[in-house]
Amino acid sequence: NAGVTQTPKFQVLKTGQSMTLQCAQDMNHNSMYWYRQDPGMGLRLIYYSASEGTTDKGEVPNGYNVSRLNKREFSLRLESAAPSQTSVYFCASSEAWRTGWGFGSGTRLTVV
Amino acid sequence: TQLLEQSPQFLSIQEGENLTVYCNSSSVFSSLQWYRQEPGEGPVLLVTVVTGGEVKKLKRLTFQFGDARKDSSLHITAAQPGDTGLYLCAAYYSGNTPLVFGKGTRLSVIA
Repeated sequence: NAGVTQTPKFQVLKTGQSMTLQCAQDMNHNSMYWYRQDPGMGLRLIYYSASEGTTDKGEVPNGYNVSRLNKREFSLRLESAAPSQTSVYFCASSEAWRTGWGFGSGTRLTVV
Repeated sequence: TQLLEQSPQFLSIQEGENLTVYCNSSSVFSSLQWYRQEPGEGPVLLVTVVTGGEVKKLKRLTFQFGDARKDSSLHITAAQPGDTGLYLCAAYYSGNTPLVFGKGTRLSVIA
C-alpha cells in the first residue's frame, strides 16, 4: 500500500525553466492538495481539488498551475520557475475534508 | 483569514521530561488534527479531535480539544528521543476550505 507517491524527490532548476511535479494516490480519495513548506512558515496551501474535475486556488497559487488528471493523479506545474519557489512541496489526499488525510514524502525543489 | 498559532516554536528537553505544546486559533474550528513530521518525510497524522472538551490518548501522548473549540494541546509524558520531530496542528473551519496548518513546534529530546 503506497499511499501518496510524489515524484521526483529532488530537483534543481534554473530560473525560467518549467517542470511538473507528479502526485498519485492509491487510497481512492476524492480530494487532493498541494502544499509548500518553507522554514518558519509551516505548510501553505497552493491548490486543491475537492473532487475529480474541479480545482481551486489556495493561499499561495501565483506561479503555479494544476491538473487533476483523474481520481488518482494531481500534478503541479511551474511554468517559469523563480528562486522564490525554492521549497519543499507536499502532495496530500483525503477521503473527506476532515478525515483520512495522507501526505507524500515531498519534493525538495531548488531554483537557482 | 484564520490564524493558527503554535507555541512554543522550539523545545529542547531531556529524555524523561514532560512537555506540552499549544495550538490556538483566532476563530472557532470544527475539528483539529495533530501531525508529526520527521526530517525528509511528510507529516503523519496522529489524531483528529472533533468535540469540544474531548481528550484522546495515544500511548504517552495526550491530546485535548478546548471547550470553546479555539484551542488544543498536546502533552507528552516521559519524552523519548524517538519523539523528536516537528509537531503540527491543523484545523478545519467550515465550508469548502481545506485544512489550515500552524507553523509547528520543533521538539528535540536529548538522551
